[in-house]
Amino acid sequence: SQTIHQWPATLVQPVGSPLSLECTVEGTSNPNLYWYRQAAGRGLQLLFYSVGIGQISSEVPQNLSASRPQDRQFILSSKKLLLSDSGFYLCAWSGGRNEQFFGPGTRLTVL
Amino acid sequence: AQKITQTQPGMFVQEKEAVTLDCTYDTSDPSYGLFWYKQPSSGEMIFLIYQGSYDQQNATEGRYSLNFQKARKSANLVISASQLGDSAMYFCAIPNTGNQFYFGTGTSLTVIP
Repeated sequence: SQTIHQWPATLVQPVGSPLSLECTVEGTSNPNLYWYRQAAGRGLQLLFYSVGIGQISSEVPQNLSASRPQDRQFILSSKKLLLSDSGFYLCAWSGGRNEQFFGPGTRLTVL
Repeated sequence: AQKITQTQPGMFVQEKEAVTLDCTYDTSDPSYGLFWYKQPSSGEMIFLIYQGSYDQQNATEGRYSLNFQKARKSANLVISASQLGDSAMYFCAIPNTGNQFYFGTGTSLTVIP
Protein backbone atom coordinates (compact mmCIF):
# COMPACT_ATOMS: atom_id res chain seq x y z
CA SER A 1 0.00 0.00 0.00
CA GLN A 2 1.02 3.57 -0.50
CA THR A 3 2.32 5.74 2.30
CA ILE A 4 3.51 9.29 2.45
CA HIS A 5 5.99 10.67 4.94
CA GLN A 6 6.84 14.18 5.98
CA TRP A 7 9.50 15.47 8.29
CA PRO A 8 10.03 17.13 10.55
CA ALA A 9 6.64 17.07 12.25
CA THR A 10 7.22 20.42 13.95
CA LEU A 11 9.80 23.12 13.43
CA VAL A 12 10.58 26.42 15.10
CA GLN A 13 12.92 28.66 13.11
CA PRO A 14 14.12 32.27 13.47
CA VAL A 15 13.35 34.85 10.81
CA GLY A 16 16.01 34.85 8.11
CA SER A 17 17.03 31.22 8.59
CA PRO A 18 16.84 28.63 5.79
CA LEU A 19 14.20 25.93 5.51
CA SER A 20 14.05 22.42 4.12
CA LEU A 21 10.96 20.23 4.44
CA GLU A 22 10.99 16.78 2.96
CA CYS A 23 8.22 14.58 1.63
CA THR A 24 8.59 11.02 0.37
CA VAL A 25 6.05 8.61 -1.05
CA GLU A 26 6.24 4.83 -0.97
CA GLY A 27 4.33 2.21 -2.89
CA THR A 28 3.67 4.13 -6.08
CA SER A 29 5.68 5.35 -9.05
CA ASN A 30 5.56 8.62 -10.98
CA PRO A 31 3.00 10.25 -8.69
CA ASN A 32 1.88 13.85 -8.96
CA LEU A 33 3.13 15.61 -5.84
CA TYR A 34 1.85 18.73 -4.14
CA TRP A 35 2.83 21.18 -1.41
CA TYR A 36 0.07 23.05 0.42
CA ARG A 37 0.16 25.61 3.20
CA GLN A 38 -2.61 26.09 5.72
CA ALA A 39 -2.67 29.18 7.90
CA ALA A 40 -4.30 28.83 11.31
CA GLY A 41 -8.06 28.32 10.97
CA ARG A 42 -7.93 28.61 7.19
CA GLY A 43 -8.26 26.42 4.13
CA LEU A 44 -5.45 24.95 2.06
CA GLN A 45 -3.42 27.01 -0.36
CA LEU A 46 -1.62 25.15 -3.13
CA LEU A 47 2.02 26.25 -3.28
CA PHE A 48 3.69 23.90 -5.77
CA TYR A 49 2.93 20.80 -7.75
CA SER A 50 5.07 18.41 -9.74
CA VAL A 51 4.20 15.90 -12.43
CA GLY A 52 7.71 14.42 -12.66
CA ILE A 53 11.37 14.65 -11.69
CA GLY A 54 12.63 18.19 -12.07
CA GLN A 55 9.20 19.49 -13.11
CA ILE A 56 7.86 22.09 -10.70
CA SER A 57 4.93 24.45 -11.14
CA SER A 58 4.40 27.34 -8.76
CA GLU A 59 0.92 28.55 -7.94
CA VAL A 60 1.77 31.57 -5.82
CA PRO A 61 4.85 33.82 -6.02
CA GLN A 62 6.52 33.73 -2.64
CA ASN A 63 9.58 33.24 -0.56
CA LEU A 64 9.57 29.48 -1.08
CA SER A 65 10.84 27.06 -3.70
CA ALA A 66 10.36 23.37 -4.39
CA SER A 67 12.43 20.63 -5.94
CA ARG A 68 11.89 17.04 -6.99
CA PRO A 69 15.28 15.35 -7.16
CA GLN A 70 13.82 11.83 -7.25
CA ASP A 71 10.55 10.33 -8.44
CA ARG A 72 9.11 9.96 -4.95
CA GLN A 73 10.79 12.84 -3.16
CA PHE A 74 9.51 16.39 -2.95
CA ILE A 75 11.35 19.13 -1.05
CA LEU A 76 10.13 22.54 0.03
CA SER A 77 12.84 25.12 0.70
CA SER A 78 13.50 28.71 1.58
CA LYS A 79 16.75 30.64 1.74
CA LYS A 80 15.42 33.17 4.28
CA LEU A 81 12.24 32.59 6.25
CA LEU A 82 9.72 35.35 6.89
CA LEU A 83 7.24 35.58 9.76
CA SER A 84 4.46 35.09 7.21
CA ASP A 85 5.88 31.66 6.32
CA SER A 86 4.51 30.25 9.57
CA GLY A 87 1.80 27.66 9.02
CA PHE A 88 0.99 24.02 8.55
CA TYR A 89 2.61 22.49 5.47
CA LEU A 90 1.05 19.48 3.86
CA CYS A 91 2.47 17.27 1.14
CA ALA A 92 0.12 15.20 -1.01
CA TRP A 93 0.21 12.77 -3.90
CA SER A 94 -2.58 12.02 -6.35
CA GLY A 95 -4.10 8.66 -7.11
CA GLY A 96 -6.17 7.06 -9.84
CA ARG A 97 -9.40 9.01 -9.46
CA ASN A 98 -7.48 12.19 -8.93
CA GLU A 99 -8.04 11.99 -5.20
CA GLN A 100 -5.16 13.34 -3.20
CA PHE A 101 -3.63 11.58 -0.22
CA PHE A 102 -1.96 13.73 2.36
CA GLY A 103 1.01 13.33 4.62
CA PRO A 104 0.90 14.07 8.35
CA GLY A 105 2.08 17.64 7.84
CA THR A 106 4.78 19.89 9.29
CA ARG A 107 3.88 22.68 11.67
CA LEU A 108 6.30 25.56 11.09
CA THR A 109 6.62 28.49 13.46
CA VAL A 110 8.85 31.37 12.44
CA LEU A 111 9.87 33.63 15.31
CA ALA B 1 -11.35 28.15 -12.85
CA GLN B 2 -12.87 25.95 -10.20
CA LYS B 3 -14.47 27.47 -7.14
CA ILE B 4 -15.66 25.85 -3.93
CA THR B 5 -17.87 27.52 -1.32
CA GLN B 6 -18.56 26.28 2.18
CA THR B 7 -20.87 28.72 3.93
CA GLN B 8 -20.94 27.14 7.38
CA PRO B 9 -17.85 28.10 9.39
CA GLY B 10 -19.04 26.09 12.39
CA MET B 11 -21.66 23.43 13.08
CA PHE B 12 -22.83 21.60 16.20
CA VAL B 13 -24.58 18.24 16.32
CA GLN B 14 -25.78 16.02 19.12
CA GLU B 15 -24.08 12.65 19.37
CA LYS B 16 -25.96 9.95 17.38
CA GLU B 17 -27.79 12.54 15.29
CA ALA B 18 -27.22 13.20 11.58
CA VAL B 19 -25.64 16.41 10.25
CA THR B 20 -25.33 17.94 6.79
CA LEU B 21 -22.33 20.01 5.78
CA ASP B 22 -22.92 22.27 2.78
CA CYS B 23 -20.73 22.62 -0.27
CA THR B 24 -21.43 24.42 -3.54
CA TYR B 25 -19.10 24.53 -6.47
CA ASP B 26 -18.54 26.18 -9.80
CA THR B 27 -16.74 24.62 -12.72
CA SER B 28 -16.76 24.78 -16.49
CA ASP B 29 -15.46 21.23 -16.87
CA PRO B 30 -18.05 18.85 -18.36
CA SER B 31 -16.71 16.00 -16.23
CA TYR B 32 -15.43 16.50 -12.71
CA GLY B 33 -15.16 14.96 -9.31
CA LEU B 34 -15.93 16.24 -5.85
CA PHE B 35 -14.08 15.22 -2.72
CA TRP B 36 -14.59 15.58 1.00
CA TYR B 37 -11.76 15.52 3.50
CA LYS B 38 -11.71 15.45 7.28
CA GLN B 39 -9.00 17.23 9.25
CA PRO B 40 -8.89 16.36 12.97
CA SER B 41 -6.92 18.46 15.43
CA SER B 42 -3.79 16.44 14.62
CA GLY B 43 -3.75 18.19 11.23
CA GLU B 44 -3.73 15.20 8.89
CA MET B 45 -6.12 15.43 5.94
CA ILE B 46 -8.18 12.26 5.66
CA PHE B 47 -9.99 11.41 2.43
CA LEU B 48 -13.64 10.58 3.15
CA ILE B 49 -15.71 10.29 0.00
CA TYR B 50 -15.75 10.97 -3.72
CA GLN B 51 -18.57 11.81 -6.16
CA GLY B 52 -18.12 11.77 -9.92
CA SER B 53 -20.24 14.17 -11.91
CA TYR B 54 -21.60 11.36 -14.08
CA ASP B 55 -22.23 8.91 -11.28
CA GLN B 56 -25.89 7.93 -11.32
CA GLN B 57 -26.17 7.44 -7.59
CA ASN B 58 -25.08 9.49 -4.63
CA ALA B 59 -21.84 8.21 -3.15
CA THR B 60 -21.88 6.47 0.22
CA GLU B 61 -19.02 5.31 2.45
CA GLY B 62 -20.16 3.88 5.75
CA ARG B 63 -21.73 6.71 7.76
CA TYR B 64 -20.79 9.25 5.10
CA SER B 65 -22.97 10.02 2.12
CA LEU B 66 -23.12 12.75 -0.46
CA ASN B 67 -26.30 14.62 -1.31
CA PHE B 68 -25.26 15.48 -4.86
CA GLN B 69 -27.52 17.89 -6.73
CA LYS B 70 -25.83 18.55 -10.04
CA ALA B 71 -28.30 21.14 -11.31
CA ARG B 72 -27.81 23.20 -8.15
CA LYS B 73 -24.06 22.55 -8.14
CA SER B 74 -24.10 21.32 -4.59
CA ALA B 75 -22.44 18.31 -2.99
CA ASN B 76 -23.41 18.27 0.66
CA LEU B 77 -21.84 15.77 3.04
CA VAL B 78 -24.21 13.89 5.33
CA ILE B 79 -22.79 12.23 8.43
CA SER B 80 -25.23 9.85 10.07
CA ALA B 81 -25.15 8.69 13.69
CA SER B 82 -22.52 11.28 14.69
CA GLN B 83 -19.75 10.19 17.02
CA LEU B 84 -17.50 12.24 19.25
CA GLY B 85 -14.59 11.36 16.97
CA ASP B 86 -16.32 13.14 14.10
CA SER B 87 -15.42 16.49 15.65
CA ALA B 88 -13.03 18.02 13.13
CA MET B 89 -12.71 20.41 10.21
CA TYR B 90 -14.31 19.22 6.98
CA PHE B 91 -13.22 20.41 3.56
CA CYS B 92 -14.88 20.06 0.20
CA ALA B 93 -12.57 20.04 -2.83
CA ILE B 94 -12.70 19.93 -6.62
CA PRO B 95 -9.77 19.34 -8.97
CA ASN B 96 -9.25 21.01 -12.30
CA THR B 97 -8.13 19.19 -15.43
CA GLY B 98 -4.54 19.68 -14.33
CA ASN B 99 -5.25 17.73 -11.13
CA GLN B 100 -4.82 20.80 -8.96
CA PHE B 101 -7.24 20.77 -6.07
CA TYR B 102 -9.30 23.75 -5.00
CA PHE B 103 -10.44 23.56 -1.40
CA GLY B 104 -13.24 25.34 0.37
CA THR B 105 -12.61 27.29 3.56
CA GLY B 106 -13.89 24.39 5.64
CA THR B 107 -16.56 23.74 8.25
CA SER B 108 -15.71 23.08 11.87
CA LEU B 109 -17.96 20.33 13.25
CA THR B 110 -18.38 19.81 16.98
CA VAL B 111 -20.21 16.72 18.23
CA ILE B 112 -21.86 17.28 21.60
CA PRO B 113 -22.19 14.32 23.98
